[in-house]
Amino acid sequence: GAGVSQTPSNKVTEKGKYVELRCDPISGHTALYWYRQSLGQGPEFLIYFQGTGAADDSGLPNDRFFAVRPEGSVSTLKIQRTERGDSAVYLCASSLQGGDYEQYFGPGTRLTVT
Amino acid sequence: TQLLEQSPQFLSIQEGENLTVYCNSSSVFSSLQWYRQEPGEGPVLLVTVVTGGEVKKLKRLTFQFGDARKDSSLHITAAQPGDTGLYLCARKLAGTYKYIFGTGTRLKVLA
Repeated sequence: GAGVSQTPSNKVTEKGKYVELRCDPISGHTALYWYRQSLGQGPEFLIYFQGTGAADDSGLPNDRFFAVRPEGSVSTLKIQRTERGDSAVYLCASSLQGGDYEQYFGPGTRLTVT
Repeated sequence: TQLLEQSPQFLSIQEGENLTVYCNSSSVFSSLQWYRQEPGEGPVLLVTVVTGGEVKKLKRLTFQFGDARKDSSLHITAAQPGDTGLYLCARKLAGTYKYIFGTGTRLKVLA
């Protein structure tokens, strides 16, 4: 079956602009995670959704970052007033449920802020 | 600390050699996951270890969880170019759904 997909695969934007990154999880997976991976680092947790609700958003770095999952499937990560420090690969993962279930990662969106 | 430290950071070896990479923490964790990530892709789960002292094998890969559940190792026997990638360890923080990843070991196996 189809895996986790993310669009766009690459996004270049100017400092100060707004961007949206989309994640399509595996069908039937209720849990969805967003991570950020900077060059040479491991993924850094941003937010976890169980269904439509953000059960843990403690990893969002500041209020410029926001994520939604209105119908419990597709999720969008939104970044306002982008800064050069936001440049990274943004990874999405889904799992059947939250907790100890295996996470399946998408290929990521590479965001470059110029 | 909740950090996971991985060593070495980089490793370049010839095909056929053996290697071991490490994942360490100063705190006890209930379980640990190992992932491999290839360029342009997301991490893929290799194994989850749960019990102190546990050893799991996946073809030429051997995973060990330390007795005190503060460290883990991944040993690759007779490495092949297809083993090239970023190896990450990760743990779930107790009582949360939040996963912490190590900084990774970047392995390159030369033919």
